[in-house]
Amino acid sequence: GESVGLHLPTLSVQEGDNSIINCAYSNSASDYFIWYKQESGKGPQFIIDIRSNMDKRQGQRVTVLLNKTVKHLSLQIAATQPGDSAVYFCAEKGMDSGGGADGLTFGKGTHLIIQP
Amino acid sequence: EPEVTQTPSHQVTQMGQEVILRCVPISNHLYFYWYRQILGQKVEFLVSFYNNEISEKSEIFDDQFSVERPDGSNFTLKIRSTKLEDSAMYFCASSTSSQETQYFGPGTRLLVL
Repeated sequence: GESVGLHLPTLSVQEGDNSIINCAYSNSASDYFIWYKQESGKGPQFIIDIRSNMDKRQGQRVTVLLNKTVKHLSLQIAATQPGDSAVYFCAEKGMDSGGGADGLTFGKGTHLIIQP
Repeated sequence: EPEVTQTPSHQVTQMGQEVILRCVPISNHLYFYWYRQILGQKVEFLVSFYNNEISEKSEIFDDQFSVERPDGSNFTLKIRSTKLEDSAMYFCASSTSSQETQYFGPGTRLLVL
């Protein structure tokens, strides 16, 4: 069935290095993709989004890449800081997804650990 | 910066009891959502609400769940007869439209004993 999943449950990087978090999705009808950051005990915090008519979008220190051919999404975080330590979820939305037309379908999450 | 708020932050209840989780969405938002996250698992969509009625719901959202917007600011999730497996974090979210970013609240941790 349709699903959104992450390749690695934990990613450990040195402070100051760049991080890349990957996500695979299976619903080819998805047209909107979002990355959320979740710190312990808090709700998902919006980071960046991208629509299916784009393949790259940049924010402050973050870049999202979308490859629709292989149904792959990635989040790049430049010059990671201790405050970047969190669980990162990709989510997708589109018609016929598991969550319906309105609901987001989330992946399982990648725990990003920043080493000092 | 406007944000979604939720109360209570923690709720402990006995199996079979009714609970009401409360949310105040961002004021100019029109779409409201409930999600849940069982410990260690991914966030799951429950229901969306627009124009005072349910817009979409998932298979999880069965007859024991209901949602309501009792006034101009609150959005509630009621679980009529709680089960052990209802223990989870419940997140409220809101957006300006169904195609725009959903902003999440801090969650209510529900523990059913």
